[in-house]
Amino acid sequence: QSALTQPPSASGSRGQSVTISCTGTSDDVGGYNFVSWYQQHPGKAPKLIIYEVSKRPSGVPDRFSGSKSGNTASLTVSGLQAEDEADYYCNSYAGGNIRVFGGGTKLTV
Amino acid sequence: QVQLQESGRGLVKPSETLSLTCTVSGGSITNYDLSWIRQPPGKGLEWMGYVHHSVISNSASTNYNPSLKTRVTISVDASNNQFSLRVTSVTAAETAVYYCARNWNYGFDLWGQGILVIVSS
Repeated sequence: QSALTQPPSASGSRGQSVTISCTGTSDDVGGYNFVSWYQQHPGKAPKLIIYEVSKRPSGVPDRFSGSKSGNTASLTVSGLQAEDEADYYCNSYAGGNIRVFGGGTKLTV
Repeated sequence: QVQLQESGRGLVKPSETLSLTCTVSGGSITNYDLSWIRQPPGKGLEWMGYVHHSVISNSASTNYNPSLKTRVTISVDASNNQFSLRVTSVTAAETAVYYCARNWNYGFDLWGQGILVIVSS
């Protein structure tokens, strides 16, 4: 399967909102409500921030929200803070217990 | 508190076999589905495959990234609370940080710290 498509970069000022897209196909993003998002700071392991399209694990601020329309999922970060500067990756279930990641988006605050 | 820790050789020669182990502490491996994920330096994440260990049948089922399926094996050693990754015939392009991660609600909620494996002669 092919990697999901994310913009290489995104940016916003402190306090603003930014949305990162993740585009797949009807075989992955569009076919299942099993999209997850990860935040990765340099030299660190990724951290789960959204699962099942729009759910937040315990401890993740509600500034992070997820949604999906058709074959495209989106992550919105509201009220940007300096610590939100990181790489963000989407992941989708693709059937048959297969998972696929997006190429990643570098968010600059 | 459940933790994952990768271990193994950090340097592998081209065409040889990469072998890594993920040790689960603070919980039983039989309760989880576990994946291996890798990340070449400066690049994105790639899901490699996952294993589910059934307590009832005492057997493991696996699924692999189709692009790696012929060269990757993931297995479980339940007695030692470990699962392992083997990749045969590696190339320099497979130099990467390798992570083990716990599958949870179709995401990955717990990650090891990662281990850098360099493929070089």
